[in-house]
Amino acid sequence: KAGVTQTPRYLIKTRGQQVTLSCSPISGHRSVSWYQQTPGQGLQFLFEYFSETQRNKGNFPGRFSGRQFSNSRSEMNVSTLELGDSALYLCASSLAGLSYNEQFFGPGTRLTVL
Amino acid sequence: QKEVEQNSGPLSVPEGAIASLNCTYSDRGSQSFFWYRQYSGKSPELIMFIYSNGDKEDGRFTAQLNKASQYVSLLIRDSQPSDSATYLCAVNGGAGSARQLTFGSGTQLTVLP
Repeated sequence: KAGVTQTPRYLIKTRGQQVTLSCSPISGHRSVSWYQQTPGQGLQFLFEYFSETQRNKGNFPGRFSGRQFSNSRSEMNVSTLELGDSALYLCASSLAGLSYNEQFFGPGTRLTVL
Repeated sequence: QKEVEQNSGPLSVPEGAIASLNCTYSDRGSQSFFWYRQYSGKSPELIMFIYSNGDKEDGRFTAQLNKASQYVSLLIRDSQPSDSATYLCAVNGGAGSARQLTFGSGTQLTVLP
């Protein structure tokens, strides 16, 4: 069974621009969560989608948004990029997002903001 | 503020030894606990999860959970140099945020040949 895929793998943007990242979950998985990983803050939860609905949101500004499509693929958007947005963005796929469902991570998108 | 605390290390053990990684959490409502391994430059890889008090074994790995003490640990037996990585403890968010994982800062493990 194919794993979680994320595109693109690497991105370089400048301050003020916006970016869209894509995630395709494991086949049959309906929950997609997004995380940001930085050396200073570690892994932090952004938001979670299930059946095209955002069910949970972390403590990030409104510049960070996302959506999920009917095929469970998800996109994350960051507008008005700041230098501090440079990070590894990870999506995690889960069967139904229940507390006992494992979350499997994709390879991540490395975003560099100049 | 829900917190997950891990010894940042680094932790070094000789090849063949037992590596012991520890994690405490603040949210008593947390229900599931996960251990991820992350190699440098790679994404986290799930190696164990546990939700009942006691021990859970999978090959060389044993996860231990004590909800009364809010403590979860990971033992790696017969450690190999390939086990050298950062180990992340993750806890589900409990009531109202069960789908949100809160991660510790990770423990860097080095297994010396």
